Amino acid sequence: AQKITQTQPGMFVQEKEAVTLDCTYDTSDPSYGLFWYKQPSSGEMIFLIYQGSYDQQNATEGRYSLNFQKARKSANLVISASQLGDSAMYFCAMREGTVGSGGSNYKLTFGKGTLLTVNP
Amino acid sequence: GAGVSQSPSNKVTEKGKDVELRCDPISGHTALYWYRQSLGQGLEFLIYFQGNSAPDKSGLPSDRFSAERTGGSVSTLTIQRTQQEDSAVYLCASSPRTTGYGYTFGSGTRLTVV
Repeated sequence: AQKITQTQPGMFVQEKEAVTLDCTYDTSDPSYGLFWYKQPSSGEMIFLIYQGSYDQQNATEGRYSLNFQKARKSANLVISASQLGDSAMYFCAMREGTVGSGGSNYKLTFGKGTLLTVNP
Repeated sequence: GAGVSQSPSNKVTEKGKDVELRCDPISGHTALYWYRQSLGQGLEFLIYFQGNSAPDKSGLPSDRFSAERTGGSVSTLTIQRTQQEDSAVYLCASSPRTTGYGYTFGSGTRLTVV
């Protein structure tokens, strides 16, 4: 079974509108972290937002917010007021394991991504 | 340095040749990860370093792939006898030891095997 599932290969949104990118995950580890990254055509991976499994509130970073529904194992990214520069691939990723145990492997498992296109 | 530096940015090689990809992490970051991104796909984990040791090599696809890290800093990913299916972007990321977040990715090396 896939650990990270992004069901939307492509999404379109009008400039200035909000868009939600879906992500579901699968883990039996009680401690995990969820990440969203943006990858523009230049190829760099840009960190957007992080949500820890024990965080009580949904994470927000500027125009980005993470709709974390733990019981449903979903971590959707919401981008408000879309801009043309938001056009890119977006990846959801999960880190399993406990932070701070020192030397632990915090490798990320990535979904296949969603290509977002913002139309003027 | 200020960010994670990878070189070369692009590499074209003939099938059967060996290649070396270099990653220079952020100074002080003890954890280093290599990922591979094939065309149109997400990132696939290859190997993890903590300091100079590699406790997790589970993602290396074959024994043609190897990696080392020296001085707790620069890492080299070597692919021997390259095959066309090795064509991909190879990304390196580093993070401080005690955090499970705060990964910084390099810009990657685009490898093309012809």
